[in-house]
Amino acid sequence: TQLLEQSPQFLSIQEGENLTVYCNSSSVFSSLQWYRQEPGEGPVLLVTVVTGGEVKKLKRLTFQFGDARKDSSLHITAAQPGDTGLYLCAGVRGEYGNKLVFGAGTILRVKS
Amino acid sequence: KAGVTQTPRYLIKTRGQQVTLSCSPISGHRSVSWYQQTPGQGLQFLFEYFSETQRNKGNFPGRFSGRQFSNSRSEMNVSTLELGDSALYLCASSSTGVTNTEAFFGQGTRLTVV
Repeated sequence: TQLLEQSPQFLSIQEGENLTVYCNSSSVFSSLQWYRQEPGEGPVLLVTVVTGGEVKKLKRLTFQFGDARKDSSLHITAAQPGDTGLYLCAGVRGEYGNKLVFGAGTILRVKS
Repeated sequence: KAGVTQTPRYLIKTRGQQVTLSCSPISGHRSVSWYQQTPGQGLQFLFEYFSETQRNKGNFPGRFSGRQFSNSRSEMNVSTLELGDSALYLCASSSTGVTNTEAFFGQGTRLTVV
């Protein structure tokens, strides 16, 4: 059983469409991070959200941390083919040290 | 500033053998974590080292071990390899020992066990 449930698992959309990826848990996290991973590469950090209710924007990407710090969402506006990749959410549970709990990931494909 | 370097990039081993993977963190980073990534299980935490000490450990059998050197470089060892150990092994480095620190990942080592 995944501690962090990500949905959807797969998403195939046309260029210009909007999409939202969800990351949910029954556990509280001290922070939550979003990564993007391309084939043959390691995950690259996109954003870290720390405060409940926090919203962060990164160009066309909007990240939100739930008020109770149990869930998060990633919204992409006007998706482009360059957004294609595996999106991963990862939670930090406040234990001492750097131990990330990852969701299963969302594979996004944006067609031109 | 050089990123996280993992060597080798690709490795093919036979069941029963052992393997050692290497990770050089970003200069100045003292925390190194290791993760296993498979299609079925996703990314799973193996262990974390900070200042040469193992600080956190995931739920993997004792065949998986690691260590960290005084220059923060880390190695991971898997003994008595099984087919199910085939995976992408990723290491991540972080600058401090405090939680919520950003993790920077290497490109990974693709291990295939035949």
